Amino acid sequence: NAGVTQTPKFRILKIGQSMTLQCTQDMNHNYMYWYRQDPGMGLKLIYYSVGAGITDKGEVPNGYNVSRSTTEDFPLRLELAAPSQTSVYFCASTPPGDPGANVLTFGAGSRLTVL
Amino acid sequence: AQSVTQLGSHVSVSEGALVLLRCNYSSSVPPYLFWYVQYPNQGLQLLLKYTSAATLVKGINGFEAEFKKSETSFHLTKPSAHMSDAAEYFCAVSVRGGGNMLTFGGGTRLMVKP
Repeated sequence: NAGVTQTPKFRILKIGQSMTLQCTQDMNHNYMYWYRQDPGMGLKLIYYSVGAGITDKGEVPNGYNVSRSTTEDFPLRLELAAPSQTSVYFCASTPPGDPGANVLTFGAGSRLTVL
Repeated sequence: AQSVTQLGSHVSVSEGALVLLRCNYSSSVPPYLFWYVQYPNQGLQLLLKYTSAATLVKGINGFEAEFKKSETSFHLTKPSAHMSDAAEYFCAVSVRGGGNMLTFGGGTRLMVKP
C-alpha cells in the first residue's frame, strides 16, 4: 500500500518559472491537502479539497493553484516562482468522516528551491 | 480561529531522561488535539490524538499527553528518552465543525545526547 506519493522529491527553479508538484493517494481518501513547511513556522495550509471537483483556499494560497479531477490526484501548480516559495511542500489526505478528528496521512515531501 | 504555541523550538535531553515538550492551544470551541513526529527527510506521522475521550492519551513509542482544559495545554511526555526519539515534534489543533483547518504549532526539535 503506497499511501500518499509526491513527486518530485527535489527541484530547483529559476525565478519566474512554473512547475507542478504531483500528489497521488491510493487509499480512496476524499479529503486532500497541500501544506508548506518553513523553519520555525510549522506547517501552513495552502489549499485543500473535499472531493473530486471541489477545492478551496487555505491560509497561504497566493502564488499557487490546484485542481482535483480525480479522487486520487491533487496536483499543486506554481505559476511564477518566487524566492518566497522556497520551502518543503507536503501533500496529505484523510478519509471520510469528521475531518477535524481524522488523522492525516502525509507524503514524504517535495523540497523546492527558487533561485 | 484556533492557534497553537509550542514553547521551545529546541529541546535537548540526555538518553534515559524525561522528555517534556510543551504545547498550549487557543480555541473558542472544544478542540481536537494532535501530536505528530517528523523524522529527518520524512513526512509527519501521528504520535497521538485527543478527541474528548480520556484526558490522558497514550501514543506510540511510549509517548503520552494530557489534555488540561483549565490550562489550555496538551504537553507531550515520555519517561525515558531514547536516541531514536530525536526528531521534530508538532502539536496541532482542529475543532468540531471547523471543516478542514488543522493548525500546527511551530515545532520543537528534540535532541537526545548519549
